[in-house]
Amino acid sequence: DSGVTQTPKHLITATGQRVTLRCSPRSGDLSVYWYQQSLDQGLQFLIQYYNGEERAKGNILERFSAQQFPDLHSELNLSSLELGDSALYFCASSVNRDSYTGELFFGEGSRLTVL
Amino acid sequence: KNEVEQSPQNLTAQEGEFITINCSYSVGISALHWLQQHPGGGIVSLFMLSSGKKKHGRLIATINIQEKHSSLHITASHPRDSAVYICAVRSPKLIFGTGTRLQVFP
Repeated sequence: DSGVTQTPKHLITATGQRVTLRCSPRSGDLSVYWYQQSLDQGLQFLIQYYNGEERAKGNILERFSAQQFPDLHSELNLSSLELGDSALYFCASSVNRDSYTGELFFGEGSRLTVL
Repeated sequence: KNEVEQSPQNLTAQEGEFITINCSYSVGISALHWLQQHPGGGIVSLFMLSSGKKKHGRLIATINIQEKHSSLHITASHPRDSAVYICAVRSPKLIFGTGTRLQVFP
């Protein structure tokens, strides 16, 4: 058990809908990272938050947004969903602000299916 | 060309065999991770390396910064080692390799 909790584990929805994925980091970890794993693109970095502030951005679509709350949990909001958004979405946490050092701990992932 | 290349893409082994998975990268990095992803989908971080060698049980990871290359070795492989092994480099954001699918048969 990594200590990182993601909900929901599975989600099925329709095109055009909006969903919210939730991540609770390990106790004491201030950084939360979001990653997308799709069949055709593999694993890709989406966005990082550190102590409530956006720290780094990757290949995140404009239809997607995220935030980190004062209790350090994070939410990834996906809107106007398309079939191609079907993927596994992972959250990871670390204690560090920067990506240079520090172990990463991954959640079990949220599997999103868009029909 | 991908910034992180892994080989082989697929690997089949008999229980007890010594296994090596390779990772080459073309960018400057601050660290390299080896990750394990089981069929259920969850990802476990096996190692984070910035130099030298690390060992954990039957797993050994090495990195050569000058040659931009890392290897993951599994000694005395077991069917429970069957998984996808992913190399990821911090540059500074994580860039992932496409993974190596390992199947170990009894």
